[in-house]
Amino acid sequence: GAGVSQSPSNKVTEKGKDVELRCDPISGHTALYWYRQSLGQGLEFLIYFQGNSAPDKSGLPSDRFSAERTGGSVSTLTIQRTQQEDSAVYLCASSLDAAGGTFYEQYFGPGTRLTVT
Amino acid sequence: AQTVTQSQPEMSVQEAETVTLSCTYDTSENNYYLFWYKQPPSRQMILVIRQEAYKQQNATENRFSVNFQKAAKSFSLKISDSQLGDTAMYFCAFRSAGYALNFGKGTSLLVTP
Repeated sequence: GAGVSQSPSNKVTEKGKDVELRCDPISGHTALYWYRQSLGQGLEFLIYFQGNSAPDKSGLPSDRFSAERTGGSVSTLTIQRTQQEDSAVYLCASSLDAAGGTFYEQYFGPGTRLTVT
Repeated sequence: AQTVTQSQPEMSVQEAETVTLSCTYDTSENNYYLFWYKQPPSRQMILVIRQEAYKQQNATENRFSVNFQKAAKSFSLKISDSQLGDTAMYFCAFRSAGYALNFGKGTSLLVTP
């Protein structure tokens, strides 16, 4: 079946503009995750959703970052008033569940490369 | 907080040879999972292998195997019979009872003919 998809693949924006990044998870996956990968760094966890709820937003770097998920499916990560330090690859992943002790593999999308000029 | 350290930013291996990528982690928890992910230039993160901490037996997946040393908090990846398609960034990751994966900074592996 179809994997996790993200759009756009690449986004170039001017400093101060708002951007929206979209993630379409695998059908039936209730858990959805956003990560950020800055140049030369590993992946940094941003937020996760269980259904439409986001129990943990502690990874969001500032209040300029927000995310929502509707219908238990598509998620949008919004960055307001973008700064140059926001330039990174934003990766989305989904899994069957986020239940604590049970492992469900996280399947990743191809990411959105954001460049803030 | 859990930390994952990959001390080798870059490695190179010849085709058909064996290479080992290192990873250490720090945690006070007893139950957790460890993973190796591969990220080719396409940016798609692909799960290579995983290890449950409660299992003493090292995980293997075809040409990929791990050396899990729980007491030493070490989790290395061995790639046997390296292939050109193995060229990629490799990330070690940790997950405890939570849901988020904690990643190391990665090792760039180049397989040469």
